[in-house]
Amino acid sequence: DTAVSQTPKYLVTQMGNDKSIKCEQNLGHDTMYWYKQDSKKFLKIMFSYNNKELIINETVPNRFSPKSPDKAHLNLHINSLELGDSAVYFCASSQVRGAGNTIYFGEGSWLTVV
Amino acid sequence: GQQLNQSPQSMFIQEGEDVSMNCTSSSIFNTWLWYKQDPGEGPVLLIALYKAGELTSNGRLTAQFGITRKDSFLNISASIPSDVGIYFCAGRKYSGGGADGLTFGKGTHLIIQP
Repeated sequence: DTAVSQTPKYLVTQMGNDKSIKCEQNLGHDTMYWYKQDSKKFLKIMFSYNNKELIINETVPNRFSPKSPDKAHLNLHINSLELGDSAVYFCASSQVRGAGNTIYFGEGSWLTVV
Repeated sequence: GQQLNQSPQSMFIQEGEDVSMNCTSSSIFNTWLWYKQDPGEGPVLLIALYKAGELTSNGRLTAQFGITRKDSFLNISASIPSDVGIYFCAGRKYSGGGADGLTFGKGTHLIIQP
């Protein structure tokens, strides 16, 4: 079973559309994250949630809105998509909010805005 | 934002050679992690380091958490073709009520010539 799974894996959409990426983890972890990887492969955190509570909200456009219905799910909704939103978005999770716990990543969602 | 300096940016080596890469930071981290990313996949955890000075091995991989807590290295011995990929260092720190997400290096692209 995939520990951190996200859908869709590939998404091609037009500018101005609204889209969502879903993420689920079956590891029983308390904390979930969204990371963005740009064309130069640089990974940067966008959001983190702990037990459905928003903990980290980096400087991202407010067109990006995470939603956590329960601690096993963290979805990312993007409004009014722009060309610059094209990237790979990774969901991740960790057990507790403690420095000794590692973070596990999903396989990524490749978003292309045309 | 905070960044880790990872080097080298890329490596072209012969199969069987040893590989060494490192990360440095201007600030202290509580945890150092090394990930590998294959094309079309998410980062996969290779080694996690939790204590300053810690030296940990995972098969042909060896990583160390620097004494100053501001650096880490990863060595791969006797490289094989499947070692090809992008290797990322990542640091995590504990601040206030919980750990931040990961701060990533820019990656080391490893290319192996048979």
